Amino acid sequence: ETGVTQSPTHLIKTRGQQVTLRCSSQSGHNTVSWYQQALGQGPQFIFQYYREEENGRGNFPPRFSGLQFPNYSSELNVNALELDDSALYLCASSTTGSTGYTFGSGTRLTVV
Amino acid sequence: KQEVTQIPAALSVPEGENLVLNCSFTDSAIYNLQWFRQDPGKGLTSLLLIQSSQREQTSGRLNASLDKSSGRSTLYIAASQPGDSATYLCAVTSGGSYIPTFGRGTSLIVHP
Repeated sequence: ETGVTQSPTHLIKTRGQQVTLRCSSQSGHNTVSWYQQALGQGPQFIFQYYREEENGRGNFPPRFSGLQFPNYSSELNVNALELDDSALYLCASSTTGSTGYTFGSGTRLTVV
Repeated sequence: KQEVTQIPAALSVPEGENLVLNCSFTDSAIYNLQWFRQDPGKGLTSLLLIQSSQREQTSGRLNASLDKSSGRSTLYIAASQPGDSATYLCAVTSGGSYIPTFGRGTSLIVHP
């Protein structure tokens, strides 16, 4: 059974650019959630996808968008990057909320 | 809106001590509570998942308890070791959306 895989592991972008982060969910999981974690903070919920549809969204602007594919893998896209977008981005997959979440190792995004 | 608080924010102890980490939440209508470990700059590793109908879960030297009525969970670490040094995060899933809300974590250092 494979876990959650995220790519890339590290990324440096310039303010104003666009970025795409990728996540492969754990085998058998159909729900993917994305979190942003700033240094010293707990993870903040961005959005969740269930069977290719957005199933919930946190307090993030529309320039944060996502996709889920038929194989349940997912992408997080961020447009018009700002310095404050620098953070660890975490992807988590699950079957339903009652089974708990499995997290990937994260993508460290630095915006300069 | 669910709010999760973890106390203490940081803890430094000598090896061998038994530890208690605390997590409190404001909305007792939860589905489950999950404890995670996070090493610096890394993703989250699930330690224990407690369903709303359960009172505690155990794994090795770790024991987590849940008291929904008081909105509290504790993570007990027996005979702490330097390898236990990490940040411990509590996540509560509630509200019908199956989306976990995280605390800010407890940063633990166990010194030899």
